[in-house]
Amino acid sequence: GQQVMQIPQYQHVQEGEDFTTYCNSSTTLSNIQWYKQRPGGHPVFLIQLVKSGEVKKQKRLTFQFGEAKKNSSLHITATQTTDVGTYFCIPGGFKTIFGAGTRLFVKA
Amino acid sequence: GAGVSQSPSNKVTEKGKDVELRCDPISGHTALYWYRQSLGQGLEFLIYFQGNSAPDKSGLPSDRFSAERTGGSVSTLTIQRTQQEDSAVYLCASSFYANTEAFFGQGTRLTVV
Repeated sequence: GQQVMQIPQYQHVQEGEDFTTYCNSSTTLSNIQWYKQRPGGHPVFLIQLVKSGEVKKQKRLTFQFGEAKKNSSLHITATQTTDVGTYFCIPGGFKTIFGAGTRLFVKA
Repeated sequence: GAGVSQSPSNKVTEKGKDVELRCDPISGHTALYWYRQSLGQGLEFLIYFQGNSAPDKSGLPSDRFSAERTGGSVSTLTIQRTQQEDSAVYLCASSFYANTEAFFGQGTRLTVV
């Protein structure tokens, strides 16, 4: 079945440092979605990537979809304490495998 | 409604009692998901409804768990003979289609004492 691996599981950064989380699949994905869950909150949709090599930006967040559509990344430039939370990547049509995500801790 | 609504927001129950959790998805969304999230953990998939198709129940942890979705809209997750390990936040999400963005409810925090 469809499986994705997200790394790292945890990341501690100093405020102002950059952060990247990676999502890897063994099979080609039709699309990939990223979600963020703040502590005590529920997951919120951030973005969907569909095209090979696609790059999308949302302020300090940069999302990439690999050329082979088997991997994706989320990069945050100059982290802020508001970036704290868990970031999930999932294949768009496979929300049954939400997984553990990457937990980001930001120290002020 | 404007978003996915779950009720109750909090539920404390005694071990051995049955509980029902309700999810009211966004109108028109064909897909509905239930997840369970224990403290500090990721989302554990429970069950998935898509339109009028038979639900994907592959994530239900035991036969004490069941869910239904009436009229393609409201869904109820039932846990029978609750155990302490059932304590968690139960999240419901809906999406227009299976491959479109999911919208989550605020969750129901279940505590079994």
